[in-house]
Amino acid sequence: GQQVMQIPQYQHVQEGEDFTTYCNSSTTLSNIQWYKQRPGGHPVFLIQLVKSGEVKKQKRLTFQFGEAKKNSSLHITATQTTDVGTYFCAGLPGNTPLVFGKGTRLSVIA
Amino acid sequence: EAQVTQNPRYLITVTGKKLTVTCSQNMNHEYMSWYRQDPGLGLRQIYYSMNVEVTDKGDVPEGYKVSRKEKRNFPLILESPSPNQTSLYFCASARGTNYGYTFGSGTRLTVV
Repeated sequence: GQQVMQIPQYQHVQEGEDFTTYCNSSTTLSNIQWYKQRPGGHPVFLIQLVKSGEVKKQKRLTFQFGEAKKNSSLHITATQTTDVGTYFCAGLPGNTPLVFGKGTRLSVIA
Repeated sequence: EAQVTQNPRYLITVTGKKLTVTCSQNMNHEYMSWYRQDPGLGLRQIYYSMNVEVTDKGDVPEGYKVSRKEKRNFPLILESPSPNQTSLYFCASARGTNYGYTFGSGTRLTVV
């Protein structure tokens, strides 16, 4: 089936460092969504990007959707311990259900 | 409070004993879906429903059944659970596939 690849699988950073996770699809996506799952918790919707080249910001988080609508990234500036968790992208390739990437687990060392 | 409610949160059962995990949402969402989450495999879709009485298989439907008799409820049924169904299960709902999903708190199932 459709796949959305997400890298890296794990990332360990010192508090204050930046963090980026990338999402790639082999097919054009109608939209891309990002979720955060805290340890022991459930995925929580963060944002949706729809337009080619779209950039959205939420405080220290910056989300981008590629020009070709096949890739996306989430960048966190100056990580904090509260950023710990797994970040999932999820793409909508046309009429099929949302396809989730496998996630990037972020650890922040204080 | 807008939410997706799953029950139970934890369940330990024996092989072959039928079980049902309930899922209910209070947001009048059209779309509902079940996922299982396993280490290294991410979220894999089991079944989804675009509306009442409409259900479709996801990526890993074997061994599971669902029903959507009313809009708010989407139970997951394991007729004869096996140890390979030990997993963390999430129910999710959305206004439609073009909208963000609201996830339930999860059900951790162990089949021995």
